[in-house]
Amino acid sequence: GQNIDQPTEMTATEGAIVQINCTYQTSGFNGLFWYQQHAGEAPTFLSYNVLDGLEEKGRFSSFLSRSKGYSYLLLKELQMKDSASYLCASMDSNYQLIWGAGTKLIIKP
Amino acid sequence: ETGVTQTPRHLVMGMTNKKSLKCEQHLGHNAMYWYKQSAKKPLELMFVYSLEERVENNSVPSRFSPECPNSSHLFLHLHTLQPEDSALYLCASSRGPSTGNGEQYFGPGTRLTVT
Repeated sequence: GQNIDQPTEMTATEGAIVQINCTYQTSGFNGLFWYQQHAGEAPTFLSYNVLDGLEEKGRFSSFLSRSKGYSYLLLKELQMKDSASYLCASMDSNYQLIWGAGTKLIIKP
Repeated sequence: ETGVTQTPRHLVMGMTNKKSLKCEQHLGHNAMYWYKQSAKKPLELMFVYSLEERVENNSVPSRFSPECPNSSHLFLHLHTLQPEDSALYLCASSRGPSTGNGEQYFGPGTRLTVT
């Protein structure tokens, strides 16, 4: 079956670094997405990885290992506004997104 | 503002009511999606439309009926819903359903409560 696993909740301190892990099992693979969703708002696109390695975009980076079925989202210099849910999604062979349940990130001052 | 709008933002309906959710995208995309989001659960894909034709229907109960009159508009018609259908219903669009890096743009959602 198809499955995406990510932690339910994480807590970090303002100014620190946090890594949110995601493991995936899908029928085929056409890339790994990360989205951010603030409470009561729409998910917004953060990153896309289809090749192994690290993609850096400002304070956010995303890593992919296809052989391990593993990705992580790295957030640096955390700000209070980064408090949100982070959704991991794998695109399967039919180009459909298979979603994780999301990781709620709580930032403390 | 993502370029995808949804109305209404909140809806309370009884189990015998009929209502419709509306989605409009201003991005020139060819694919549109309906998702159901329940608390602490993964996004559930309900329907996919590509160029106004339904591509995917993930075994959704018939009390949910989609309509896509053109590539910019998508509706979800609701009738005889159950309390367990209470959730956030999200609309999304993308360039196409069969493209790599098929980044999806989401609307703000309709918070539906079935009483």
